[in-house]
Amino acid sequence: EAGVTQFPSHSVIEKGQTVTLRCDPISGHDNLYWYRRVMGKEIKFLLHFVKESKQDESGMPNNRFLAERTGGTYSTLKVQPAELEDSGVYFCASSPRHEAWDEQFFGPGTRLTVL
Amino acid sequence: GDSVTQMEGPVTLSEEAFLTINCTYTATGYPSLFWYVQYPGEGLQLLLKATKADDKGSNKGFEATYRKETTSFHLEKGSVQVSDSAVYFCALRNRGYNKLIFGAGTRLAVHP
Repeated sequence: EAGVTQFPSHSVIEKGQTVTLRCDPISGHDNLYWYRRVMGKEIKFLLHFVKESKQDESGMPNNRFLAERTGGTYSTLKVQPAELEDSGVYFCASSPRHEAWDEQFFGPGTRLTVL
Repeated sequence: GDSVTQMEGPVTLSEEAFLTINCTYTATGYPSLFWYVQYPGEGLQLLLKATKADDKGSNKGFEATYRKETTSFHLEKGSVQVSDSAVYFCALRNRGYNKLIFGAGTRLAVHP
């Protein structure tokens, strides 16, 4: 069974540009999560999808970030326009259910560098 | 709000040394507790978990016990190997919430 995949693995962009990150969850997982780790600090929650619906987007830092999950399969996270403080590693995770004790399966992350 | 605090790294050990990485949490209710590990070049992997007080999670020689009285979930291993070199993250997830709340991560380096 394929794990969670993310693309690209690394992106380097100029401040003010747009970047789109993609996440393909494990097949059949209705729950998809985005997290990010900035400057070696703690990993922070961004948002949660159940199928194509946003269940919780309380962690989205501002309106420069837009996440979508069309058709309830893969998800994209767009940053427009990117700022220096957006640099970090963006992780995607998926799970079949969303009980508190359930494992979330993580992808390898996308390292975003904004210059 | 809920939070996780774990010891700062890096932690550098010799092979076969004893490992402890401290983790304490602040949370309302009865969260589930997790240790995730990130090996170089890879994504986060669940190492072990505990879902209620006094539960012990274990995997690959690592152990952690859910201590509600001290709000702790310290990670231990009796004899580390070079292959254990990674970043370790303590995390909690509270009932009714979807998100994991992570600590800052502790980098472990084990040398021969």
